[in-house]
Amino acid sequence: EDQVTQSPEALRLQEGESSSLNCSYTVSGLRGLFWYRQDPGKGPEFLFTLYSAGEEKEKERLKATLTKKESFLHITAPKPEDSATYLCAVQSGANSKLTFGKGITLSVRP
Amino acid sequence: KAGVTQTPRYLIKTRGQQVTLSCSPISGHRSVSWYQQTPGQGLQFLFEYFSETQRNKGNFPGRFSGRQFSNSRSEMNVSTLELGDSALYLCASSQLGAGELFFGEGSRLTVL
Repeated sequence: EDQVTQSPEALRLQEGESSSLNCSYTVSGLRGLFWYRQDPGKGPEFLFTLYSAGEEKEKERLKATLTKKESFLHITAPKPEDSATYLCAVQSGANSKLTFGKGITLSVRP
Repeated sequence: KAGVTQTPRYLIKTRGQQVTLSCSPISGHRSVSWYQQTPGQGLQFLFEYFSETQRNKGNFPGRFSGRQFSNSRSEMNVSTLELGDSALYLCASSQLGAGELFFGEGSRLTVL
């Protein structure tokens, strides 16, 4: 069964203080690894898809990377509006469902 | 382009009652998935529908059921509600097999 573990559970940063969020996964035949952002009271919003080890994707202050066992979401010079819960999910084999981690709650203080 | 619409947004039920939640996907998306989100368990997959057929089902008891209509709109039903069913129920639409899901804002169910 697919497993996704995210760490830390919560992270507090000062505005401008760069950091990384970790997502470790165990799957049989990775089809894709996905990052989502969820704001309070809203549904998750898609950020990135990574398909193979070594792949990187960037969007504004966010950069996602992938190895054979984990993915990192790097946040460079974060701003208060980056505060949200970041979810990692995997899709494997012939199964189209996503298995999500429990998320990392990021707070960025001005 | 309109997003995924879920109704109702909030509802309160008592134990033993049943509830039906509705989801209208993005126009052109024929795949609809449902997830349950709780603080303790996070997002857990309930089921996926495509062209009115259930393609996948998660590890939930038979009290949880769903269906999809010919216009791709979907409903899920929970019968004999338990306190532990209190959660945010999220619907997502997508192209078939895609991991890029478009989520609605969810239906917040409270069971008293």
